[in-house]
Amino acid sequence: DAGVIQSPRHEVTEMGQEVTLRCKPISGHNSLFWYRQTMMRGLELLIYFNNNVPIDDSGMPEDRFSAKMPNASFSTLKIQPSEPRDSAVYFCASSLDSYSGNTIYFGEGSWLTVV
Amino acid sequence: GQSLEQPSEVTAVEGAIVQINCTYQTSGFYGLSWYQQHDGGAPTFLSYNALDGLEETGRFSSFLSRSDSYGYLLLQELQMKDSASYFCAVRDGLDSNYQLIWGAGTKLIIKP
Repeated sequence: DAGVIQSPRHEVTEMGQEVTLRCKPISGHNSLFWYRQTMMRGLELLIYFNNNVPIDDSGMPEDRFSAKMPNASFSTLKIQPSEPRDSAVYFCASSLDSYSGNTIYFGEGSWLTVV
Repeated sequence: GQSLEQPSEVTAVEGAIVQINCTYQTSGFYGLSWYQQHDGGAPTFLSYNALDGLEETGRFSSFLSRSDSYGYLLLQELQMKDSASYFCAVRDGLDSNYQLIWGAGTKLIIKP
């Protein structure tokens, strides 16, 4: 069974440009998470969805960040406009549900560099 | 507030045993998990404890004491491939929408 699939794996973009990260969760999983990881701040939960509905976006750093989940098999995280401080690894993860069980499956991450 | 404390770095010798500790302070508790992350890779699930005691999975074991708000990950017969960062994570309660609260990670360095 395929794991969580993210694209692009690596992206280098100029400050001010729009960045769109994509994610396909594991089939049958009802919860999807977007995390950001940096050396300084560690692993941060940005937003998560249950059954395609955003439940908690309190981790989204600011209005430049937005996330959507139009269907059960696809989600996007968009940064517009991007800034150098957004440089990080962005992980998408999924689990059967977000309220029980403790196994979250991570994608390989999208390595973003904003110059 | 919620917090998880784990050492930032641990060094051990190949073939030895190492213990990585995690203490937590959360408003709720619905289990302690451990994840492994190799450099350049994604976190992967290792183990989960909901009740007090020891859970063993091959060379890895995880322990939980809810009364002490404490757990540890024990790695035996260390191999070079175990060099990675290890994260503890606690599923919090209603205050956090039952989401995982993550430690900052422990970098395990294994010397030959």
